[in-house]
Amino acid sequence: KAGVTQTPRYLIKTRGQQVTLSCSPISGHRSVSWYQQTPGQGLQFLFEYFSETQRNKGNFPGRFSGRQFSNSRSEMNVSTLELGDSALYLCASSLGEGNTIYFGEGSWLTVV
Amino acid sequence: GESVGLHLPTLSVQEGDNSIINCAYSNSASDYFIWYKQESGKGPQFIIDIRSNMDKRQGQRVTVLLNKTVKHLSLQIAATQPGDSAVYFCAESGTNTGNQFYFGTGTSLTVIP
Repeated sequence: KAGVTQTPRYLIKTRGQQVTLSCSPISGHRSVSWYQQTPGQGLQFLFEYFSETQRNKGNFPGRFSGRQFSNSRSEMNVSTLELGDSALYLCASSLGEGNTIYFGEGSWLTVV
Repeated sequence: GESVGLHLPTLSVQEGDNSIINCAYSNSASDYFIWYKQESGKGPQFIIDIRSNMDKRQGQRVTVLLNKTVKHLSLQIAATQPGDSAVYFCAESGTNTGNQFYFGTGTSLTVIP
C-alpha cells in the first residue's frame, strides 16, 4: 500500500509569490491534515479536511488555505509569501477522527 | 492553548543500552497518544500509539507507558541501535480536538556505537 505522497519535495519561492502544495493520502483515507514544521515552532497544525470539508483549522493567517477533492487528494496554498513561511510542510492522512495519522515526506519551502 | 512538552531536548546512549524518552502533556481530555520518529530530511514515522484506557503497550523493541495521573508519557527503546538515532516526538489528541494532534518539541536521540 502506497504511503502519503507529497509534491513537490523542494521548492524556492520569492517573497510575495504564492505556492500550491499537493498531497495524495493513503488509499482509503478520507482525512487529510496539514502541518507546518519549523525549528523554532516545531510541528504546528494548519487544517484538516474530511470528505472535502474543512473540519478544523489552526492558528494561521488567512494566507494559508487548503482544499480537498472528491478523491481525497488535497492541496494547500500560501499566498503573499513571507520569509517566515520557509518551513517543511507535512501532510498526514488517516481514516478519520481518533485514528492514527500517517505523514508524507513533506515539501520543503524556502522563501527568499 | 495545548502544551505537550519534552523533558530532555537531547539524549545520547550507548549502542545496546535501553533508551527512555519522556513527554508531558497538559490536556486532561487527551485520550490518544502517538510516538513518531523523524530522521533527517524525512517526515515523521509512526512508531507506536496508546489510548487512555491503557497504561502500557509494547511493540517490537519499543514500549509506551502512559501515566494519566501525572499526565506523562514515555517511550522505551530496548537495545538501542545506531538506526534509532533520530528526533522523537510525542503527539496527543482528544475528543475535544477533532483529528488535530498537538506535538511535543521533540527529543534528539543519538546512539553512540
